[in-house]
Amino acid sequence: DADVTQTPRNRITKTGKRIMLECSQTKGHDRMYWYRQDPGLGLRLIYYSFDVKDINKGEISDGYSVSRQAQAKFSLSLESAIPNQTALYFCATSDLAWETQYFGPGTRLLVL
Amino acid sequence: QQQVKQSPQSLIVQKGGISIINCAYENTAFDYFPWYQQFPGKGPALLIAIRPDVSEKKEGRFTISFNKSAKQFSLHIMDSQPGDSATYFCAAGYSGGSNYKLTFGKGTLLTVNP
Repeated sequence: DADVTQTPRNRITKTGKRIMLECSQTKGHDRMYWYRQDPGLGLRLIYYSFDVKDINKGEISDGYSVSRQAQAKFSLSLESAIPNQTALYFCATSDLAWETQYFGPGTRLLVL
Repeated sequence: QQQVKQSPQSLIVQKGGISIINCAYENTAFDYFPWYQQFPGKGPALLIAIRPDVSEKKEGRFTISFNKSAKQFSLHIMDSQPGDSATYFCAAGYSGGSNYKLTFGKGTLLTVNP
């Protein structure tokens, strides 16, 4: 969905490096989410934010941090990347009705 | 603890056949059950959703069947087409309290052969 963009789309990094994944949305939604997708494990929630002052941990937040710079921007950081963080990362947004989440195109991350 | 269990992990169906994907949940507080469809290289997108006050919801060839007592719900794709080939995720969420988020199943890779 072009309304939710993620940068970069692909990234290769080395163990121990700091990396930031960025998400921007033009849908005007207050709620934003970061998910991780691994084969056979589905989508797992890393962090979510209901507004710029509200950040919440998801089920797998260890090793990750986030920043909500503005209503439209939500960044995910890996402070010291490790190989088992190799995955496909998705950002999503929802409005106050929360049920429908709109996903970005994903960032494929490889940690060597 | 896996709160939403999805099966099968993969499914191969012939064109024109019926595809059935099943999900079971544990938390009786869940009151919203969506299905998301994901094509290769794309993010998931909402396909169809149901609330537990109805037992079935149909949108075109896609139907959700819901069994509250068994804590199970399923997606049926009638007249399956090659264009339906994708990964399907069930999910569950609840609107009460402040914990507005979805719990996803592990996904089902559907292949529809021509």
